[in-house]
Amino acid sequence: SQKIEQNSEALNIQEGKTATLTCNYTNYSPAYLQWYRQDPGRGPVFLLLIRENEKEKRKERLKVTFDTTLKQSLFHITASQPADSATYLCALETSGTYKYIFGTGTRLKVLA
Amino acid sequence: EPEVTQTPSHQVTQMGQEVILRCVPISNHLYFYWYRQILGQKVEFLVSFYNNEISEKSEIFDDQFSVERPDGSNFTLKIRSTKLEDSAMYFCASSDLGSSGNYNEQFFGPGTRLTVL
Repeated sequence: SQKIEQNSEALNIQEGKTATLTCNYTNYSPAYLQWYRQDPGRGPVFLLLIRENEKEKRKERLKVTFDTTLKQSLFHITASQPADSATYLCALETSGTYKYIFGTGTRLKVLA
Repeated sequence: EPEVTQTPSHQVTQMGQEVILRCVPISNHLYFYWYRQILGQKVEFLVSFYNNEISEKSEIFDDQFSVERPDGSNFTLKIRSTKLEDSAMYFCASSDLGSSGNYNEQFFGPGTRLTVL
C-alpha cells in the first residue's frame, strides 16, 4: 500500500544546531516533493519544492534532498532558531495528477 | 502580499445539516484545492479543481461533498448532510503555473474549523 512516513516523534534540538527531518515513501512515483511548515491552528506554509530529477535544493538556511532510489527526502534547517519550532510536513504529488498526499509531520522544537 | 481567505473561521452545525465553506483563492491562480485536518492528525487531500471541473478527488470526497466556483472569485465546499466525523479543520489552497518554477507551490488559507454536534 502507499505510505508517506515522517518521524512522528518530536525532535528537540539546541539553538544553532542543524535539524534534519526525514520523509520516506513507498509505492509512489512522485514528480515533486514539497515541504511545508505548519504552526498550531494555522494552515501549512510552503517552504521548498524539489523535482524528481533534482538531488538537492537550497533556500537560505533550508536544504532539501531527494533520493528517488531510496524513496526518501531529507529536510535540513541549519543554524536553527527557536522561531523554527513548528511541525514540518512533506507532501507528494504523483506524476500528472493534482492530488497531493501529506505526511503526518514532524514536530520540531528548537531550545534556546 | 496576496493571500487565500476563508469564511467562516468557525462553523458549528447539527448532524444532518448542510454546510457551505467559502474560500477566496489568490486572484490569478488557476488551481484550487480543499483539504481537511482532523485534530491531531495529518492534512488529508479532498479535491482539486481546475478549469471549472474536478481534476482529482480522494476516497473521502464522496457524494456528500461538492465543490463549486460560482463566480470569478469564490470557491466553495458543500457538505450536504454532515456527520460527526466531518468535524475537522478545512483548508482551501490555490496555486498557479507561475514563472518562478515553483508552479506547484500551494498557498493555504487559515482554515475553517467545522464542529458537528
